[in-house]
Amino acid sequence: EAGVAQSPRYKIIEKRQSVAFWCNPISGHATLYWYQQILGQGPKLLIQFQNNGVVDDSQLPKDRFSAERLKGVDSTLKIQPAKLEDSAVYLCASSLAGGRETPKNIQYFGAGTRLSVL
Amino acid sequence: AQKITQTQPGMFVQEKEAVTLDCTYDTSDPSYGLFWYKQPSSGEMIFLIYQGSYDQQNATEGRYSLNFQKARKSANLVISASQLGDSAMYFCAMRVTGTASKLTFGTGTRLQVTL
Repeated sequence: EAGVAQSPRYKIIEKRQSVAFWCNPISGHATLYWYQQILGQGPKLLIQFQNNGVVDDSQLPKDRFSAERLKGVDSTLKIQPAKLEDSAVYLCASSLAGGRETPKNIQYFGAGTRLSVL
Repeated sequence: AQKITQTQPGMFVQEKEAVTLDCTYDTSDPSYGLFWYKQPSSGEMIFLIYQGSYDQQNATEGRYSLNFQKARKSANLVISASQLGDSAMYFCAMRVTGTASKLTFGTGTRLQVTL
């Protein structure tokens, strides 16, 4: 079974430029997550989709970050314009369901995109 | 709010020895799940083991076991017979029932396995 695919693996941009990341979840997984992992920290959830609807985007900086999941499969995360503090690894994860009824809802992660903003 | 604390920034263990990585958590919700993930230098977060708050027995998955002490709010990961390939960052995470599936992560422990 194929895992979560992300691209690109690395991206270097200058501040105020825009950048986009792509994620393809595990086949059949209804829920997709984008996390931001700053060096030395654990991942922090940016946005969660259930099929193609947003479930939680409370920690997404909406003035510069946007995300979509068209047709409930692939997803893109965009930053425009980028700031120095956006330098981080952006991880995409997916799970079978939203799992509101049980805490056991294993999220499977991709390899991430490492973003450097200069 | 939920919080995960990992107090060991780095650990060393010799090959074939056992090692315990500490994790304490804080939540007022009675129903929750605890997860451990491994993150090698390649960057991918790999799921290792899960423990539910109502599970009667400690979880085990191969060489991984979880020492769950509910009263102390701790969920330590034990790796037996360490291998060189176990060298990585290890993250403890928690999820509470009823919320959107947000995982709250700790800051991680870097494990280095030596010969």
